[in-house]
Amino acid sequence: GAVVSQHPSWVICKSGTSVKIECRSLDFQATTMFWYRQFPKQSLMLMATSNEGSKATYEQGVEKDKFLINHASLTLSTLTVTSAHPEDSSFYICSARDRSGSGYEQYFGPGTRLTVT
Amino acid sequence: GQQVMQIPQYQHVQEGEDFTTYCNSSTTLSNIQWYKQRPGGHPVFLIQLVKSGEVKKQKRLTFQFGEAKKNSSLHITATQTTDVGTYFCAEYNYGQNFVFGPGTRLSVLP
Repeated sequence: GAVVSQHPSWVICKSGTSVKIECRSLDFQATTMFWYRQFPKQSLMLMATSNEGSKATYEQGVEKDKFLINHASLTLSTLTVTSAHPEDSSFYICSARDRSGSGYEQYFGPGTRLTVT
Repeated sequence: GQQVMQIPQYQHVQEGEDFTTYCNSSTTLSNIQWYKQRPGGHPVFLIQLVKSGEVKKQKRLTFQFGEAKKNSSLHITATQTTDVGTYFCAEYNYGQNFVFGPGTRLSVLP
């Protein structure tokens, strides 16, 4: 089946620093990748939709200058949390749509747990 | 914007009992997808329903899409401890994005 990887799986950083999270589709090409954040015991909140070769579309309330998304290739998207603060601590999950599939399914990465101290 | 609601928020069942979670929307859904997220894990796609009144089965899981395409349900027969997790429904807005419901957290007591 389709596999999506994320790196790192967890990261601890100091307030004010930036953190980059990578999302890769390992065995398929993904024209579209999605970035979510999930707080404990809550649902997934879509942050942005990332299309290969174009600018990401951010959901309302998500600061695009703080959460930089780059989708440079059909298998890689990155999310950079700039000037991280403790309130940015969360579980960040990416997902990817299979370019060759129906487009309905999305495959999730294992997530990255970010802790900002 | 589009909102998808789910009930119940939590459900505790004894192993062997049945379980049902419901997904509702105030507007007509293009489709409905169901995901399962194990504790500490990431969501895994279970199924997609598109047609009005559609019913699909996966072993002990039965998925239904309402006639008006405004609600859906996931029913698990004879729950097992491996069914533990949070079940999310989601709508895929064609060409746009996914909207997730808040999820139903299922715990199964052995």
